[in-house]
Amino acid sequence: RKEVEQDPGPFNVPEGATVAFNCTYSNSASQSFFWYRQDCRKEPKLLMSVYSSGNEDGRFTAQLNRASQYISLLIRDSKLSDSATYLCVVNPPNAGKSTFGDGTTLTVKP
Amino acid sequence: SQTIHQWPATLVQPVGSPLSLECTVEGTSNPNLYWYRQAAGRGLQLLFYSIGIDQISSEVPQNLSASRPQDRQFILSSKKLLLSDSGFYLCAWSPLGQNEKLFFGSGTQLSVL
Repeated sequence: RKEVEQDPGPFNVPEGATVAFNCTYSNSASQSFFWYRQDCRKEPKLLMSVYSSGNEDGRFTAQLNRASQYISLLIRDSKLSDSATYLCVVNPPNAGKSTFGDGTTLTVKP
Repeated sequence: SQTIHQWPATLVQPVGSPLSLECTVEGTSNPNLYWYRQAAGRGLQLLFYSIGIDQISSEVPQNLSASRPQDRQFILSSKKLLLSDSGFYLCAWSPLGQNEKLFFGSGTQLSVL
């Protein structure tokens, strides 16, 4: 079993749709969690951190469920510019051990 | 503000040739530094990370090596490239003491032919 698993998609949604991605992790000692966005042939960029209490940034909401060991990303009112690959990242207590999921590809269509 | 520079952006090398990719960070001290590789359509694989000068950990056995001759400089090298070394190489940094947010350089697309 992979340490971090994501549904690769692709998710094809119309503009204005709400879409949600999940990411499961196997190490229950994991301490911090993030979502990154990666455009084609570009570097990943930090989208948002994920906290147990959940956090929201505009149209984006991230949640952490420690009991079930997954994190989620919800995008409301999808825009064409949201088309990208979304990577979840799970950090165990050890330094330098960030583990990336393989990413979920989102395509928002007019 | 902190910035990270990585070069070159693209590189085409013949099998058996050497490799040197360089990464520098500005605006911070004692960063954690990382080299990742990403195969097409896949996630990121951690190759090396460093918590200080000459303190480098290798994550996977491979044809590559890394060095950190200065606090904010991280170099990825190979003596003889293999076809399987092709990929998108990313340098990243994170603040000292925090296994936290990663900030990436713009990446190097390496094609070994």
